Amino acid sequence: QMQLVESGGTLVKPGGSLRLSCTASGFIFSDYYMSWLRQAPGKGLEWISSINHRGTTFDYADSVKGRFSISRDNGKNSLYLQMNSLRDDDTAFYYCVRDLTPIVGAGGHCYSGCLGWFDPWGPGTLVTVSS
Amino acid sequence: DIVLTQSPATLSLSPGERATLSCRASQTIDNYLVWYRQKPGQAPRLVIFDTSRRATGIPDRFSGSGSGTDFTLTISSLEPEDFAVYYCQQRTNRPITFGQGTRLEIK
Repeated sequence: QMQLVESGGTLVKPGGSLRLSCTASGFIFSDYYMSWLRQAPGKGLEWISSINHRGTTFDYADSVKGRFSISRDNGKNSLYLQMNSLRDDDTAFYYCVRDLTPIVGAGGHCYSGCLGWFDPWGPGTLVTVSS
Repeated sequence: DIVLTQSPATLSLSPGERATLSCRASQTIDNYLVWYRQKPGQAPRLVIFDTSRRATGIPDRFSGSGSGTDFTLTISSLEPEDFAVYYCQQRTNRPITFGQGTRLEIK
């Protein structure tokens, strides 16, 4: 049974830093992209960052670029999100997700449908940014 | 960014009725449209990917259709567990974007 469990969410002051962690089980972690998404309380879903299966390529939403950093440790089946310069509008539930981005073989190229969809999702961890 | 507009915002139906949820994209996304269901207090769960492909464990009362810019999620006969918020997502152009959600509530 596939499972993702986030940890690290807490109350932090504006301008502060936080590191979220996610531990995966039930699938071959190193075979998949992974992503972080977030949802402000009572609001919709926002993709914020993705990392490829090897941990060598990254992508970020403009809202977090330059402040957040995604990483992974395939030996520990773990995904991380380093969050710096936190702002009030970063307050949200943060979800760790397995990202089903198609993986193209060496020398190949993706021409369409090259982004991912998400399954499964962790239960989420709440980050509250407030003074 | 591609904007996804879901309608209606809220849909009030009774168990056993048919539900039709819509998602319109601001530009063509081919068939790369995904649907999720989010029950209260839970994380979202994948329902349909690439317009019409049901995720593992999703019953066949759920179906998806559409192409280009207009997409539909249909639930043929509503069960109590289907009352939730549904989000669509496009995976054609970065950044990945979501619709604002349709709340399916019990009438």
